[in-house]
Amino acid sequence: QTVVTQEPSFSVSPGGTVTLTCGLSSGSVSTTYYPSWYQQTPGQAPRTLIYNTNTRSSGVPDRFSGSILGNKAALTITGAQADDESDYYCMLYIGSGISVFGGGTKLTVL
Amino acid sequence: QLQLQESGPGLVKPSETLSLTCTVSGGSISSSSHYWGWIRQPPGKGLEWIGSIFYDGSAYYNPSLRSRLTISVDTSKNHFSLNVNSVTAADTAVYYCGRHRSGSDQHFDPWGQGTLVTVSS
Repeated sequence: QTVVTQEPSFSVSPGGTVTLTCGLSSGSVSTTYYPSWYQQTPGQAPRTLIYNTNTRSSGVPDRFSGSILGNKAALTITGAQADDESDYYCMLYIGSGISVFGGGTKLTVL
Repeated sequence: QLQLQESGPGLVKPSETLSLTCTVSGGSISSSSHYWGWIRQPPGKGLEWIGSIFYDGSAYYNPSLRSRLTISVDTSKNHFSLNVNSVTAADTAVYYCGRHRSGSDQHFDPWGQGTLVTVSS
């Protein structure tokens, strides 16, 4: 069974830069996994941030960026703001019509 | 603007069938570019992809849930549905529906607001 791994938690100072990662329990993430990223605040539906590795969804500020770093997908937030404090999920397409979400990263801005 | 709305019972008894419908407005479910999918989130836990369906009825399911799942589509009503049978407390979750872009632009957007389904006697 494919497991998508994310850091359980991360913290960043206001104005700082943070990179969250999305990996595989076995193997490397590449662009062919079409990684996407979602932001979720408590009680709300997820909001799409990034798809196809590095394409920002409509209305997403350019301080959110996606990439492949080493063997993982990455979401970088530059100039973190208080309202960036959320849960962040990645999703990978592993083939044969199957998509898998990571366990999520709880980001604290303090 | 495309919108999706989940509907269905908020309480289901153990061993029974969970049934939800997602109604699409502001666009046609018969798009050749998109699938339509279900995701769930148990209280306090992460997201889990359940499955996705194309307007022609072809569907993909999460292998860990496949044996209990049926996803169907009704293009005349512009909605798609989820059935999960033999439910247990572990199926208690907020269930979201979403448009699932296929191909290299794989992602869910937009999402419905979600509906909480509790499995309890």
